[in-house]
Amino acid sequence: EAGVVQSPRYKIIEKKQPVAFWCNPISGHNTLYWYLQNLGQGPELLIRYENEEAVDDSQLPKDRFSAERLKGVDSTLKIQPAELGDSAVYLCASSLRGGGNEQFFGPGTRLTVL
Amino acid sequence: SQQGEEDPQALSIQEGENATMNCSYKTSINNLQWYRQNSGRGLVHLILIRSNEREKHSGRLRVTLDTSKKSSSLLITASRAADTASYFCATDNNDMRFGAGTRLTVKP
Repeated sequence: EAGVVQSPRYKIIEKKQPVAFWCNPISGHNTLYWYLQNLGQGPELLIRYENEEAVDDSQLPKDRFSAERLKGVDSTLKIQPAELGDSAVYLCASSLRGGGNEQFFGPGTRLTVL
Repeated sequence: SQQGEEDPQALSIQEGENATMNCSYKTSINNLQWYRQNSGRGLVHLILIRSNEREKHSGRLRVTLDTSKKSSSLLITASRAADTASYFCATDNNDMRFGAGTRLTVKP
């Protein structure tokens, strides 16, 4: 069984440029999460989807970040425009359903903003 | 915002020794999960303990949960060099909140 797939694995951009990350969750997983992880820290939840509905986006900086999960499968996370402080690893995870289930994480996208 | 707080931040032991990591949290939870992250990799789920459980075992892992103290511990027995990684607790109260993690180094 394929795990959570993320692309790209690495991205280097200049500040003020846009960037997008893509995630393909495990087949059959209704719940999809996007996390941000800074060096030496734990993941911080940005947004959680149940199927195609964003049920928790309270931590998503909506002035520059946006996300979508069309058809309740793949998801994209976009930053426009990127700032220096956005440099981090962006992790995608999926689970069968929201609470009470283990999450399966992708390898992450390491973003460097210059 | 992060809820769980791991202690210690870093731990270095010899192969064969036991490693204990602690996690404290602030609000009520449905369950608590422990994850491992090897350097440069994604997180891997280790164990989930529900709020009505006090102890759970999985292979060389033992997790305890004390909801009255809002704390949990992860014990790894007979550690191996391959256990070298960062360990995170995550509290689940309809959303997941991770701590900053404990960096474990097991020396061969």
